[in-house]
Amino acid sequence: EDQVTQSPEALRLQEGESSSLNCSYTVSGLRGLFWYRQDPGKGPEFLFTLYSAGEEKEKERLKATLTKKESFLHITAPKPEDSATYLCAVQALTGANNLFFGTGTRLTVIP
Amino acid sequence: DAGVIQSPRHEVTEMGQEVTLRCKPISGHDYLFWYRQTMMRGLELLIYFNNNVPIDDSGMPEDRFSAKMPNASFSNLKIQPSEPRDSAVYFCASSLSNLQETQYFGPGTRLLVL
Repeated sequence: EDQVTQSPEALRLQEGESSSLNCSYTVSGLRGLFWYRQDPGKGPEFLFTLYSAGEEKEKERLKATLTKKESFLHITAPKPEDSATYLCAVQALTGANNLFFGTGTRLTVIP
Repeated sequence: DAGVIQSPRHEVTEMGQEVTLRCKPISGHDYLFWYRQTMMRGLELLIYFNNNVPIDDSGMPEDRFSAKMPNASFSNLKIQPSEPRDSAVYFCASSLSNLQETQYFGPGTRLLVL
């Protein structure tokens, strides 16, 4: 069964305290893995796409990595404005309704 | 551009009532997607359109749900009759392609069915 599990559910960090968010997945053929940022009361905002194991993408303080079973979103020296819910999704290569989202990690960065 | 516009932003209704959620996509975007988000299940794709034609509705939970796109600048999602388990945030997204990474999401409609 295709599915996505994110951990932890919530994470509180001090400003400047680096950490990682985890996205574990099972899918019958991966087309792509996606990371989103979602602020309260808003829709998700696309961050990264990863297509194959070993791939990495970076944007400011965020770096996403991918293995065959999981992806990590590394946050280096976070700032309060990085506080948000981070969503992970995987899309299978084939089949209808082939997009699966995790329930997200709610990140709070304390000044 | 104003982005994807959804209305209403909040809706409270009673079980059994019909609910209509509305979406105006970004001008020029040929694809429109409807999603539902709950704490338990996360974000789920319900249906998507290309050039106003429904392409994949396999995510629509049951016959009580229907969606239409009468023209390129408007879509609606209807629930009739509504049930408490339909309570969720419903998002509309639009895109120039069917690639997940090119979608722009609206602010969502928070639906509460009592």
